[in-house]
Amino acid sequence: DTEVTQTPKHLVMGMTNKKSLKCEQHMGHRAMYWYKQKAKKPPELMFVYSYEKLSINESVPSRFSPECPNSSLLNLHLHALQPEDSALYLCASSQSTGNTEAFFGQGTRLTVV
Amino acid sequence: GENVEQHPSTLSVQEGDSAVIKCTYSDSASNYFPWYKQELGKRPQLIIDIRSNVGEKKDQRIAVTLNKTAKHFSLHITETQPEDSAVYFCAATEDDYKLSFGAGTTVTVRA
Repeated sequence: DTEVTQTPKHLVMGMTNKKSLKCEQHMGHRAMYWYKQKAKKPPELMFVYSYEKLSINESVPSRFSPECPNSSLLNLHLHALQPEDSALYLCASSQSTGNTEAFFGQGTRLTVV
Repeated sequence: GENVEQHPSTLSVQEGDSAVIKCTYSDSASNYFPWYKQELGKRPQLIIDIRSNVGEKKDQRIAVTLNKTAKHFSLHITETQPEDSAVYFCAATEDDYKLSFGAGTTVTVRA
């Protein structure tokens, strides 16, 4: 299984809502990532978990809250988002070191209204 | 931190011709250089990668070259086909989990 699975595929939320994005992988990877991608731009790193511990937070606003319940799961909790947060949110995973292939999920298309 | 520049931003080629995309990086400590292809509405997928101890790598119609001295690397696609139409991103990293991406190249293969 070389898949990273993200749910939901699409999400529309109001600025006062709380929602969560979910990501799952069963490749035994110990590094998991959240990226944000705007149209026609490269993915921007948000968070990195290594061995279930948060190792990188790229100065992301606190309205985004990551969680890694176990080595296979990664969540991104969303609260009080702004319309400019609308984007494709990609989860990825890789083996324990950073310089190996990152496998991306298909993403969650988020629209904040 | 690492800064990756990618050129051109758009590339239109006739089917069967070759396509070349070039990237430069700033951090001489970077040692891993992947290339990702992203079709419209799809996830980025690795198509080829190269490490700093290798100068060239080939996989069927795709090849990547790396010049560590000049700090640049290139993607070569030969005998292009319509299914090669996509956005291609180069990236570089020093094994600190931070993949620095180039801005992307939109490749269009004309039939």
